[in-house]
Amino acid sequence: AQTVTQSQPEMSVQEAETVTLSCTYDTSESDYYLFWYKQPPSRQMILVIRQEAYKQQNATENRFSVNFQKAAKSFSLKISDSQLGDAAMYFCAYRSTLMEYGNKLVFGAGTILRVKS
Amino acid sequence: KAGVTQTPRYLIKTRGQQVTLSCSPISGHRSVSWYQQTPGQGLQFLFEYFSETQRNKGNFPGRFSGRQFSNSRSEMNVSTLELGDSALYLCASSPRTANYGYTFGSGTRLTVV
Repeated sequence: AQTVTQSQPEMSVQEAETVTLSCTYDTSESDYYLFWYKQPPSRQMILVIRQEAYKQQNATENRFSVNFQKAAKSFSLKISDSQLGDAAMYFCAYRSTLMEYGNKLVFGAGTILRVKS
Repeated sequence: KAGVTQTPRYLIKTRGQQVTLSCSPISGHRSVSWYQQTPGQGLQFLFEYFSETQRNKGNFPGRFSGRQFSNSRSEMNVSTLELGDSALYLCASSPRTANYGYTFGSGTRLTVV
């Protein structure tokens, strides 16, 4: 079974600074997808960024980028130029490509990100 | 394009009762999944439906069930409610495969007293 670990329960960052959230996962599969989701107080989970395991290039979406280390099974999220609106709970998630798992996502425990002005 | 709609947003029930939660996916999305979110257990997968068939199921007791209709709308039902069922229940929809991620609803906050 796949597992996802987020070892930082809480992180703080000064506005306009850069912060990195950590995520490691365990799987025996070679092809899979990884995601970072953001959950603000409004409760709705919002997709931040995705990474396909067979692509070596790290994904980037505006101020958000990932450092994907497949051999180390590590998938960290870097937020540059942090803004007050980035304050939220961030979840790392894994999706297998095996048919038996369908579209099931396995989530980490989450990291609360606080942004200080 | 309308998002994923979950109703109701809040619900208070008494132990032993049953509850039904509803989810309307994004138009054209045929896969609907349900997750339970609690402070202690985090986000846990309940089940996934695709084309009215349950495609996958998480490790929850039989009191938790669901179904999907021909218009892809989905309901989940919890019978004989327990205090531990208090949680945020999130619904997520995607096309056939969620390679590009899910779109989530805002959830139903269920409180069992």
